[in-house]
Amino acid sequence: QVQLQESDPGLVKPSQTLSLTCTVSGGSISSGGYYWSWIRQHPGKAPEWIGQILHSGTTYYHPALRSRVRISIDTSKNQFSLNVSSVTAADTAVYYCARATAYYGVDVWGQGTTVTVSS
Amino acid sequence: EIVMTQSPATLSESPGERATLSCRASQSVSNNLAWYQQKPGQAPRLLIYGAFTRATGIPARFSGSGSGTEFTLTISSLQSEDFAVYYCQHYNDWPLTFGGGTKVEIK
Repeated sequence: QVQLQESDPGLVKPSQTLSLTCTVSGGSISSGGYYWSWIRQHPGKAPEWIGQILHSGTTYYHPALRSRVRISIDTSKNQFSLNVSSVTAADTAVYYCARATAYYGVDVWGQGTTVTVSS
Repeated sequence: EIVMTQSPATLSESPGERATLSCRASQSVSNNLAWYQQKPGQAPRLLIYGAFTRATGIPARFSGSGSGTEFTLTISSLQSEDFAVYYCQHYNDWPLTFGGGTKVEIK
């Protein structure tokens, strides 16, 4: 059974870059048909899709975040990563890595990691 | 961007009662619609995909219906573990978007 685990950056200072890594276990990140995704959730709000990447490296980003977000994949480590640049307090949220497909929606979620942007 | 609108925001029901949750898309998403359940401190859990197909391990009391722009999640007889927040989400195109959620609370 595939499991996902986010790294824990904890506190990030304003204007810096938030970096998160998701480690995939129980399956290969190189398997076709999966979109490896990042989703965040502000306190008390609905989840917000940030973007996703295929094993080929093809990426899809939310238009509102595209200028600050980069998602990458390292198939040798079975990991994918998220970088969000120039963070502000509005980027404070729980960040989830997840697996999505074109047929099932988001079928596997990590446990989530809380990121706080504060000086 | 497709806007997903859920109603009601809060649903108060008693255990054993039937719950009906609605989700509307601002344009057609075909059947590319999923429902998730989220409990406090937990990640969302996939309940329904393809508008009406239950995910693995989801009890039969959960059912989904609809297509195009109007969708419904029905819980036929609420159990104590069903009181949670429910989100719909389309995956018909990018960006993927979620509805604002419906909180099902104990009456």
